[in-house]
Amino acid sequence: AQSVTQLGSHVSVSEGALVLLRCNYSSSVPPYLFWYVQYPNQGLQLLLKYTTGATLVKGINGFEAEFKKSETSFHLTKPSAHMSDAAEYFCAGGTASKLTFGTGTRLQVTL
Amino acid sequence: KAGVTQTPRYLIKTRGQQVTLSCSPISGHRSVSWYQQTPGQGLQFLFEYFSETQRNKGNFPGRFSGRQFSNSRSEMNVSTLELGDSALYLCASSLGLAGVRQETQYFGPGTRLLVL
Repeated sequence: AQSVTQLGSHVSVSEGALVLLRCNYSSSVPPYLFWYVQYPNQGLQLLLKYTTGATLVKGINGFEAEFKKSETSFHLTKPSAHMSDAAEYFCAGGTASKLTFGTGTRLQVTL
Repeated sequence: KAGVTQTPRYLIKTRGQQVTLSCSPISGHRSVSWYQQTPGQGLQFLFEYFSETQRNKGNFPGRFSGRQFSNSRSEMNVSTLELGDSALYLCASSLGLAGVRQETQYFGPGTRLLVL
């Protein structure tokens, strides 16, 4: 079965610190991977996506992710956290019409 | 260009009732997918419609159904509501280009359904 696993349901970082949110996918998931962010009471906003080509993907708001096939990982990073980054982040994989989501990681940013 | 819109944004129903949720995709998008989001189960795929036909279906009971109109707008219906149907229902649209599997889905703000 297809699966996407996010390690850590809650991550807390200080403002200005590195953000690292982990995502692993099963090999049965098509290698189209996405990171979405959800702010309270809102829908999902696309941060970035990997389809083919360069394995380091840059997204909006300073986020980037690296596709590592050998590790079946697609971790999300940001060099310096900002208070406005506090939200829930979802890793997803699959095709255009059907995405399999991870369980989400809630990012807390403290002063 | 306007984003995906969903109506209503909030809904309260009682057990046994039925409910219809509406989704208008981004202009030009022909594929509409529906997802259910709950604290316990996370985000789960319900179904996808393309050109008025259901193209993919998730593992939900037959009480959950949907349809798509010729203008790509979509509705989903839940009959005989149960307490466990309380959730945020998200709609997503994509272009639906033939043979392009890695398109991006754009999500609406969701409809929050509370079943009492």
